[in-house]
Amino acid sequence: GAVVSQHPSRVICKSGTSVKIECRSLDFQATTMFWYRQFPKQSLMLMATSNEGSKATYEQGVEKDKFLINHASLTLSTLTVTSAHPEDSSFYICSARDFAGVSTDTQYFGPGTRLTVL
Amino acid sequence: GQNIDQPTEMTATEGAIVQINCTYQTSGFNGLFWYQQHAGEAPTFLSYNVLDGLEEKGRFSSFLSRSKGYSYLLLKELQMKDSASYLCAVDDYKLSFGAGTTVTVRA
Repeated sequence: GAVVSQHPSRVICKSGTSVKIECRSLDFQATTMFWYRQFPKQSLMLMATSNEGSKATYEQGVEKDKFLINHASLTLSTLTVTSAHPEDSSFYICSARDFAGVSTDTQYFGPGTRLTVL
Repeated sequence: GQNIDQPTEMTATEGAIVQINCTYQTSGFNGLFWYQQHAGEAPTFLSYNVLDGLEEKGRFSSFLSRSKGYSYLLLKELQMKDSASYLCAVDDYKLSFGAGTTVTVRA
């Protein structure tokens, strides 16, 4: 199956700093990428939908000025958590969708990034 | 809005069968995914149902009834490594996830 990578896998930062997370589709062109957040023992919550070459669409309650998303190419989307605070500590997961794929199971998840804000 | 319900926890014995139910009420529907997630890891794909009926993949099977807004994931011949959270997700261009069902397999 297709592969989606995320970098870094784990990051620890001080409160007030910004953290950038990269999501790459390695062997297909992802016109759409999704960013999720998962708190311990909870399910995945969609934060935003990222479309190549256009502005991201944020879910209700997600601050677009705090969580900056850039999808500059068909294989790369980035999520920047600006001025991170301890409550932003979470597991961030991206997924990529290949609408040109012939398979029905065409939403692939990255391995996730564990963010800890001190 | 999206409403997706699945049981919180289930426990079963190694070698047994477990059925995880998922009911949904969503504004749109293109299909339904089942994912497995081990603690601290990202979800891994198990199945995708678009049409009514049963899809079988080895020890795992998934069923969908669109008219009833209902799906289930069937895990057969349970193994210890099947202990994980199982997520039901409705596909409406973007995925809406249920809260997940934690399955514990005991020896």
